[in-house]
Amino acid sequence: DQQVKQNSPSLSVQEGRISILNCDYTNSMFDYFLWYKKYPAEGPTFLISISSIKDKNEDGRFTVFLNKSAKHLSLHIVPSQPGDSAVYFCAASGGYGQNFVFGPGTRLSVLP
Amino acid sequence: DTEVTQTPKHLVMGMTNKKSLKCEQHMGHRAMYWYKQKAKKPPELMFVYSYEKLSINESVPSRFSPECPNSSLLNLHLHALQPEDSALYLCASRAGQGALPTNEKLFFGSGTQLSVL
Repeated sequence: DQQVKQNSPSLSVQEGRISILNCDYTNSMFDYFLWYKKYPAEGPTFLISISSIKDKNEDGRFTVFLNKSAKHLSLHIVPSQPGDSAVYFCAASGGYGQNFVFGPGTRLSVLP
Repeated sequence: DTEVTQTPKHLVMGMTNKKSLKCEQHMGHRAMYWYKQKAKKPPELMFVYSYEKLSINESVPSRFSPECPNSSLLNLHLHALQPEDSALYLCASRAGQGALPTNEKLFFGSGTQLSVL
């Protein structure tokens, strides 16, 4: 049973517009959430994170929003650039164990 | 230095071979991880070392044998692998200040792309 879900396998956005990637989780024990970006045949690169005590965290073009009651988080990229084209993984940790649970990923394509 | 270095980047091996994957970090991190990732799938946890001791083994077959010689190094010894073991093998680390990864992020290496023939 997937504890972290990313229901959109892919997303296409025009350059300069906003990209919104969504993530849902089922385990209420998760208290720390991370977004990673991954290019083919490379390791995931950390983008941004948010603790469950916050509902928003911003870093440059990237903003993550957390809605604990809905067990939902989203990553906003504004403005989107062609170099943002990659697979984005949502991950969660906390509550127990040392594992980070990853979602299946969303492939973002930013079109020039 | 915020890097996790993995070698080799690519590895092709036969089912009777013995090989090792290496991972190194000099960030003083005390928790190190091995993940396996198949194409179009999320990373799957294999092993976690905390303070150089194996703390998690996610029921990984014995043909994969992890080793943590010191706090900076992590190895994954491979023997008698199957073609279905072909995947990207990722090493990661976190600071490991506490037993749980609260508010700590994972730093990943670039991975070893393994092909088993």
